[in-house]
Amino acid sequence: EIVLTQSPGTLSVSPGERATLSCRASQSVRSSLLVWYQQKPGQAPRLLIYGASSRASGIPDRFSGSGSGTDFTLTISRLEPEDFAVFYCQQYGSFPITFGQGTRLEIK
Amino acid sequence: QLQLQESGPGLVKPSETLSLTCTVSGGSISNKNYYWGWIRQPPGRGLEWVGSTHYSGKTFYTPSLKSRVTVSIDTSKNQFSLRLSSVTAADSAVYYCAEISAAGTIDYWGQGTLVTVSS
Repeated sequence: EIVLTQSPGTLSVSPGERATLSCRASQSVRSSLLVWYQQKPGQAPRLLIYGASSRASGIPDRFSGSGSGTDFTLTISRLEPEDFAVFYCQQYGSFPITFGQGTRLEIK
Repeated sequence: QLQLQESGPGLVKPSETLSLTCTVSGGSISNKNYYWGWIRQPPGRGLEWVGSTHYSGKTFYTPSLKSRVTVSIDTSKNQFSLRLSSVTAADSAVYYCAEISAAGTIDYWGQGTLVTVSS
């Protein structure tokens, strides 16, 4: 099973600034089959990025994903107030599907 | 627009079986390009994939729960279901049903239903 470790656990950033979230895998993720989700309180997660770097439908271009192998990054270039939430990475290159433990992005 | 809605008891006694159903609307559960799955989230914690099924009858379960979980599909009702036996307090969580693409991305989620295991 691939273990995904996200860092930091909590990230405090001011609106308008850039946020960089990390997801590290215990072994290489096949074909960069890595996804990022955003989850707000009381809501289901929302798909942001798939294939490590492709934005899902309707996702603003301030969200971008990068990385390959074992190291992946989600960058939010100019934080808007609605962006603050918990973010999860998930891999689907190997069975079983696994998630990272999440990074909480909070307003500084 | 695809919609998924979970239903089932919100309270289950320890050692009993948790049973949930997901009703899919706005799309066919017989679409060969998609799997239908369950993901759970204990209060204040992260996400865990539980299991998935396909209209063909294929099923996949997370190894740690495999001995206790069954996911089944009813194409006539456009529904799929989760059964988790011998539950303990550790199984208390929000359970989400979801559409999972053949590539493994979770594109659509239900709103989630909280299940508490308690006597």
